[in-house]
Amino acid sequence: EDQVTQSPEALRLQEGESSSLNCSYTVSGLRGLFWYRQDPGKGPEFLFTLYSAGEEKEKERLKATLTKKESFLHITAPKPEDSATYLCAVQGTSGGSNYKLTFGKGTLLTVNP
Amino acid sequence: SAVISQKPSRDICQRGTSLTIQCQVDSQVTMMFWYRQQPGQSLTLIATANQGSEATYESGFVIDKFPISRPNLTFSTLTVSNMSPEDSSIYLCSVVQHQQFFGPGTRLTVL
Repeated sequence: EDQVTQSPEALRLQEGESSSLNCSYTVSGLRGLFWYRQDPGKGPEFLFTLYSAGEEKEKERLKATLTKKESFLHITAPKPEDSATYLCAVQGTSGGSNYKLTFGKGTLLTVNP
Repeated sequence: SAVISQKPSRDICQRGTSLTIQCQVDSQVTMMFWYRQQPGQSLTLIATANQGSEATYESGFVIDKFPISRPNLTFSTLTVSNMSPEDSSIYLCSVVQHQQFFGPGTRLTVL
């Protein structure tokens, strides 16, 4: 069974204070690892997909990296508008729907001005 | 990316009743999914809804409790039947268009 663990559960940063969020996973065969952003009262917003160890993707102040056991979402010089819950999900090759995503519980990021 | 809308956005229901949630997509998609997000828990897949075939349910979810319709390639409904307070959750539909995109969710409270 695929599993995803995200840490920390909550992170409070000052504006401009860079940090990283962690996503540890176990999966029988990795089709892809996904990062989403979720604002209160809204559905998850797609950020990145990573497919293989060593891959990196960047978007504005966010950079996602992937190893065989975990992924990091690096946030450089965050702004208050980066405050949100960041969700990590994996898509494995074991049973069930080919498109099934297994999610972690998320990291609630708060960036103070 | 696909634009997905859901109705209702939120509702408060009495135990024992049923609620049908609608999901509309602005383009034709083959596969639609229904997820549940309970307070403090991970997003969990309920079922996959393909047009022209029966929905496929994940372990722990059954058709009698969560019947799904998929009448065409842009629309699906999820019914939460015989509700109890444990069904209080956010229900989200999603579609795959190169990536998996989510609707805004329906926040359900069962009293």
